[in-house]
Amino acid sequence: SQQGEEDPQALSIQEGENATMNCSYKTSINNLQWYRQNSGRGLVHLILIRSNEREKHSGRLRVTLDTSKKSSSLLITASRAADTASYFCATDAWAAGNKLTFGGGTRVLVKP
Amino acid sequence: SQTIHQWPATLVQPVGSPLSLECTVEGTSNPNLYWYRQAAGRGLQLLFYSVGIGQISSEVPQNLSASRPQDRQFILSSKKLLLSDSGFYLCAWSVLAEAFFGQGTRLTVV
Repeated sequence: SQQGEEDPQALSIQEGENATMNCSYKTSINNLQWYRQNSGRGLVHLILIRSNEREKHSGRLRVTLDTSKKSSSLLITASRAADTASYFCATDAWAAGNKLTFGGGTRVLVKP
Repeated sequence: SQTIHQWPATLVQPVGSPLSLECTVEGTSNPNLYWYRQAAGRGLQLLFYSVGIGQISSEVPQNLSASRPQDRQFILSSKKLLLSDSGFYLCAWSVLAEAFFGQGTRLTVV
């Protein structure tokens, strides 16, 4: 079964708006990462947050981690049409042999 | 710099035929290697995970197998493909936590 589950499954916004998506997981983790996938392509790493961190920023991306709730959020500020993609969270955990497991993803459509 | 090569990009195979997908990594040593499968519009399902030559963990019972004959080579195989094996197959490598993905192989079994 998948460790991470994203919410919502799909998101449609206007260019310039912020996009927020969430990820929940089941067991204690070492790290949580967010990846982006353009249609029919491989995944590209966006940001990693460690289990002892609560917030990280990278450009227009902001990631939060709440280990007590076993959840994370990815915020994309001032979205652009080029941000249209699927976004996945992934976790690795000692209990799972440090394998990287992914959630189902959030499909984001940014309309110009 | 590190690179990952995965080929072919697309493949159409008849039911019952064999399969061999290859993935190679350059510029790093002793990477963790992964094979994932992705159904249309869905998340990534981990198929195989390898921490070293000959060390492969199978995550899902299925019609597929994997081998790691060299440190930076990971091969996904099947002796007889099923229709349900169709999907988008992704190879990835990691040394620390961050994973780097190939461009994927879209397999259609007909």
